[in-house]
Amino acid sequence: EAGVAQSPRYKIIEKRQSVAFWCNPISGHATLYWYQQILGQGPKLLIQFQNNGVVDDSQLPKDRFSAERLKGVDSTLKIQPAKLEDSAVYLCASRDPGTGKGEQYFGPGTRLTVT
Amino acid sequence: SQQGEEDPQALSIQEGENATMNCSYKTSINNLQWYRQNSGRGLVHLILIRSNEREKHSGRLRVTLDTSKKSSSLLITASRAADTASYFCATVGNQGGKLIFGQGTELSVKP
Repeated sequence: EAGVAQSPRYKIIEKRQSVAFWCNPISGHATLYWYQQILGQGPKLLIQFQNNGVVDDSQLPKDRFSAERLKGVDSTLKIQPAKLEDSAVYLCASRDPGTGKGEQYFGPGTRLTVT
Repeated sequence: SQQGEEDPQALSIQEGENATMNCSYKTSINNLQWYRQNSGRGLVHLILIRSNEREKHSGRLRVTLDTSKKSSSLLITASRAADTASYFCATVGNQGGKLIFGQGTELSVKP
């Protein structure tokens, strides 16, 4: 079974520029999550999708961050414009809620550096 | 916001020794999960314990949960150098599948 795919793996941008991250979850997983992990901290949930609908985006800074999952499969997370404090690893995870198992499967992450 | 606090923040042991990490949380939970993160394999799920369970085993891992104290512990027995990683506890509340992670414990196992 293929895992969660993310791209790019690394990205360096200057502040006020825009950036987009892509995630392809495990096939059949209806639930998709985006997390932000700042160095030395645990991941923090930014947004949760169930199919193509948003379940929880309470911690998404909506003035600069946006995410979509148009066909209920792939997802993109965008930052526009980026700030220095957005430097972090952005993790995508997916889960199959139909199995009753609670674990989430994580992708390798995109390491963003904002200079 | 971070739900859990983990203790210790860093732990260094010799190969073959046992490693114990503790996690405390603040609100009632549906389940608690432990994840491992290293540079080679990203964040990987280790074990899940439900709120009505007190202890669970998986290979060299043993997890306990005390809901009255809102705390959990992860024991890794007979540690190996390959266990070197950061370990995170994460809680799921009663409202749904949202994981709230702790700050993590950085484990170093020296050969």
